[in-house]
Formats: sequence, C-alpha cells, structure tokens
Amino acid sequence: RKEVEQDPGPFNVPEGATVAFNCTYSNSASQSFFWYRQDCRKEPKLLMSVYSSGNEDGRFTAQLNRASQYISLLIRDSKLSDSATYLCVARVVGQFYFGTGTSLTVIP
Amino acid sequence: SAVISQKPSRDICQRGTSLTIQCQVDSQVTMMFWYRQQPGQSLTLIATANQGSEATYESGFVIDKFPISRPNLTFSTLTVSNMSPEDSSIYLCSVEPGTGYGYTFGSGTRLTVV
Repeated sequence: RKEVEQDPGPFNVPEGATVAFNCTYSNSASQSFFWYRQDCRKEPKLLMSVYSSGNEDGRFTAQLNRASQYISLLIRDSKLSDSATYLCVARVVGQFYFGTGTSLTVIP
Repeated sequence: SAVISQKPSRDICQRGTSLTIQCQVDSQVTMMFWYRQQPGQSLTLIATANQGSEATYESGFVIDKFPISRPNLTFSTLTVSNMSPEDSSIYLCSVEPGTGYGYTFGSGTRLTVV
C-alpha cells in the first residue's frame, strides 16, 4: 500500500467554483503534512502546511483528520491561475512521502 | 526559505554516458535530498546526502548507478551513470530549511536519454 494516496483527477471546474481534494496516509506515525503545488514542467512549491486544528490562507483551507488519517485541501473562488497539480505530502521521521498528485484545471 | 540553484536545467544525453547534476543552496543545511520524477508520476526519493558521510540510498537505487557527493553544507551533486532511456526523468534536489517547514526544491533537471 502506498504511504500517501490521492485521487489523481483530473478535476475540471469553472472559475469561481469551490473544489476539494482529499488525501489519505497509511502511517499513523506521520508527524506533519503539507500540500504542494506543481505547475507543468516546474518544481513542486510549498502551498501550505496542514495542522490538526486546520489552517486557512486566503482562498485555501487545509484540514487534518488524524483519526481517519486523511487530509484535505479546499479551494474557494477558483481562479484560472489555480490550474496545477496538487501534491499531498506526509512526513514520517524525517522522510517525506509524496502522493501522485491531483490535477486541477480551472475553466473560464 | 532556502534558495536552491540547480543545473543543468535540461540535457539530452547518449545512452552509456553519465551526467552530473549540481545543487547549490544559499544557506547551510544538514541534509540534502535527491528525487526523481518520471513522467506522470510523483516524486521518488533516490537518496539522502549528509555532509561528511556516505549518502543513504532508498530501495531500488544504488551508489554505482547514482553516486552522490556532499563536500560541504551548501552543495551536492548527483551523477546518473551509464544512462539508458529508462533514466529519462526529472531529477530534483531539495532541502528542509527548518523542521516542520516542508521541503524547498531546486528547479529540476529534465534528462532525456537517447
């Protein structure tokens, strides 16, 4: 079983829509969690960390559910510039495990 | 966060040859990480490079194929040796600037082996 699993999508949504991605992790010892964004032919860039209490950064909200071992990313009021692949990451004792990514395309 | 300069950004190489990828970080870091991202796939960790000791390789990766150097706390190289078309991929170096802050990645090296 993979350490981190994501729905690969693709998600095609209209501008202004709200979209949510979920990600599950298998290792209950995972210590911290992140969402990365990767644009086509570019390196991944940290979007936000995920905390147990949930955290929000503008239009983006990330939440962690340790009991069910999943994390989520909610994007409100989608912009064309949000089109990218979103990678879910779990950190276990110094090593990062990446999901395969969820592809999002925001359509005009 | 740390800034990483990675080069070359891309290369096309003949099978059987070797390519060395360099990463320079603008601050001192204990560990540097080398990843591979094959087309349509997520990132796979190749090895962790610590200054002053041998790199630690993940399952499926060996030192003879991917020798790594880590001469100081700001620099590392990864060599892809005796290349075959299956080595065509994006290779990325990364660092963790501070615990809990996630990784910062270099811009990647897009390798095509013909």
